[in-house]
Amino acid sequence: QSALTQPASVSGSPGQSITISCTGTSSDVGGYDLVSWYQHHSGKSTKLIIYDVTKRPSGVSNRFSAFKSGNTASLTISGVKTEDEADYFCCSYGGSDTLWVFGGGTKLTVL
Amino acid sequence: QVQLQESGPGLVKPSETLSLNCIISGASINSYYWSWMRQSPGKALEWIGYMFHSGNTKYSASLKSRVSISVDTSNNQLSLKLNSVTAADTAVYYCARGYYDSSGYWGYAFDIWGQGTMVTVSS
Repeated sequence: QSALTQPASVSGSPGQSITISCTGTSSDVGGYDLVSWYQHHSGKSTKLIIYDVTKRPSGVSNRFSAFKSGNTASLTISGVKTEDEADYFCCSYGGSDTLWVFGGGTKLTVL
Repeated sequence: QVQLQESGPGLVKPSETLSLNCIISGASINSYYWSWMRQSPGKALEWIGYMFHSGNTKYSASLKSRVSISVDTSNNQLSLKLNSVTAADTAVYYCARGYYDSSGYWGYAFDIWGQGTMVTVSS
């Protein structure tokens, strides 16, 4: 099963909103409402920011939101802050053989 | 605070067995499900397998002939073994905890990750 497709990089100025896309197929993103998003700061542990397409775990800022349309999921960060500069990757349930398939990651630069 | 820390040899020779451990602190290994993932240079993360707290395991179809995951409950530790390794197994290996919230919902996501350990397969 192929990885999910994400843009390699996005950028934005503080206070702006940015959106990161995650494109899969009907066998993963489009087939299940089980997309999750993660934030990874270099040298630190990875943080779950979205699960089940739209849900935020306790403690995650409401500046992070997400949705899905067809085979593409999207993560939006509203009011971007310099502390949001990190790598973001998506993940989807991929069926009984693979269970989970990941995106290649998107580097967010806050200008 | 829950923390996961992977450890391993760093360098493994081709055809040998890669063995990694993940020490879990701040949570009981018996109360969640746990996964291993890896990321090869320039590639996306790849899910390797998971072990449920009940002992049930599930492995990626592409790796299941070579992989096993086990737990050491007395030391609250998760282990990964991957045999007959090749250069294609060179990657950063991560352990992660499956999502489970206070309402009793098991999610298809991972809420706690280790920082990863680099494994190079080379002679």
